[in-house]
Amino acid sequence: KQEVTQIPAALSVPEGENLVLNCSFTDSAIYNLQWFRQDPGKGLTSLLLIQSSQREQTSGRLNASLDKSSGRSTLYIAASQPGDSATYLCAANSGGSNYKLTFGKGTLLTVNP
Amino acid sequence: NAGVTQTPKFQVLKTGQSMTLQCAQDMNHNSMYWYRQDPGMGLRLIYYSASEGTTDKGEVPNGYNVSRLNKREFSLRLESAAPSQTSVYFCASSRTFGGSANSPLHFGNGTRLTVT
Repeated sequence: KQEVTQIPAALSVPEGENLVLNCSFTDSAIYNLQWFRQDPGKGLTSLLLIQSSQREQTSGRLNASLDKSSGRSTLYIAASQPGDSATYLCAANSGGSNYKLTFGKGTLLTVNP
Repeated sequence: NAGVTQTPKFQVLKTGQSMTLQCAQDMNHNSMYWYRQDPGMGLRLIYYSASEGTTDKGEVPNGYNVSRLNKREFSLRLESAAPSQTSVYFCASSRTFGGSANSPLHFGNGTRLTVT
């Protein structure tokens, strides 16, 4: 059974700092790895999706990497801003005909002005 | 462009009551999903519909039923609500099954359900 763990559970940084959020998964047979952002009282917003054949994806100040062999993914946020404050979740998609998107419990990020 | 719309936003039920959570998407997506989010548990998949006319059980389907009414709408029904079903329910959709770089999952804003 796939298990996804996110460390740390919460992170507080000053504005402008570069930071890394970690995600680990137990079963390396994944189809893709997805990162989401969730604001309080809202649904999830997709940030980046890395296919199993890829090593990284970039969008603006965000860069996500994937190392299947070690069962790890990281989300790098450059020059953090107060607007980046949210909960970040990663999800491993076991994929194929048996859909299985397993979510981590998230990292609550606070960026202080 | 509304995206994924869920109704109602909030609901309080008594144990044993029934209700249907509605979800509609206007992005012409093929696949739709229902998740529940509980503190300390993360999001868990209840049911999904890979394409119009098909539905399948997810990780926690007991106590729920679904209907893919048409391509736009995917409803979740609680036949006899229990306190254990107190949760935040999210509907999501994607153009391709399981999502992809060109077709990520789009989520609604959730329905907050309390069963007393």
